[in-house]
Amino acid sequence: NAGVMQNPRHLVRRRGQEARLRCSPMKGHSHVYWYRQLPEEGLKFMVYLQKENIIDESGMPKERFSAEFPKEGPSILRIQQVVRGDSAAYFCASSPSLTSSLYSTDTQYFGPGTRLTVL
Amino acid sequence: TQLLEQSPQFLSIQEGENLTVYCNSSSVFSSLQWYRQEPGEGPVLLVTVVTGGEVKKLKRLTFQFGDARKDSSLHITAAQPGDTGLYLCAGFETGTASKLTFGTGTRLQVTL
Repeated sequence: NAGVMQNPRHLVRRRGQEARLRCSPMKGHSHVYWYRQLPEEGLKFMVYLQKENIIDESGMPKERFSAEFPKEGPSILRIQQVVRGDSAAYFCASSPSLTSSLYSTDTQYFGPGTRLTVL
Repeated sequence: TQLLEQSPQFLSIQEGENLTVYCNSSSVFSSLQWYRQEPGEGPVLLVTVVTGGEVKKLKRLTFQFGDARKDSSLHITAAQPGDTGLYLCAGFETGTASKLTFGTGTRLQVTL
């Protein structure tokens, strides 16, 4: 039973290029979350998606960042025109369907992350 | 945004010692989770505490959720080198079951 898969594990980009990070959730999970971990900082929520829908993008930078979770295929976090400050570890997590309660304790299972380095 | 402060930030101890890591907030969380993260990997869930005052044990690790659900602690008995890693507490912000707020982290090193 494979866990959350992320690729690539390491990505090097020059300033101004685009970065595409992929996340395949665990089998049977329909909810995907992206988090960013800057050097020497904690993980910060970026976006929460369900299939074909962005549910909460309150943690996404206003420009250059976008995310999608298509009907088929992995979730993609896309960073356009990368800058050095985008260098970080980007983690994807997945969970099964949430309960109807606002106070669900649904577990989020994390992938190994993609380490983005911008030169 | 609800914040979670962890202390200490860094802890270096010898094998066999006991330690406690604290996770504090001024806000109420519906639940708190503890993760361990090893270098180059994603966080791995250790435990979820839901009820105020709840205590959960996982082998040599004891987790407690404060009565008011604003704080939590992780106690490790007889630490081993395999316990080395970054320990993170995390909670769901009030009104959401999807957005995890992570603590600042405690980096533990256990030496022989």
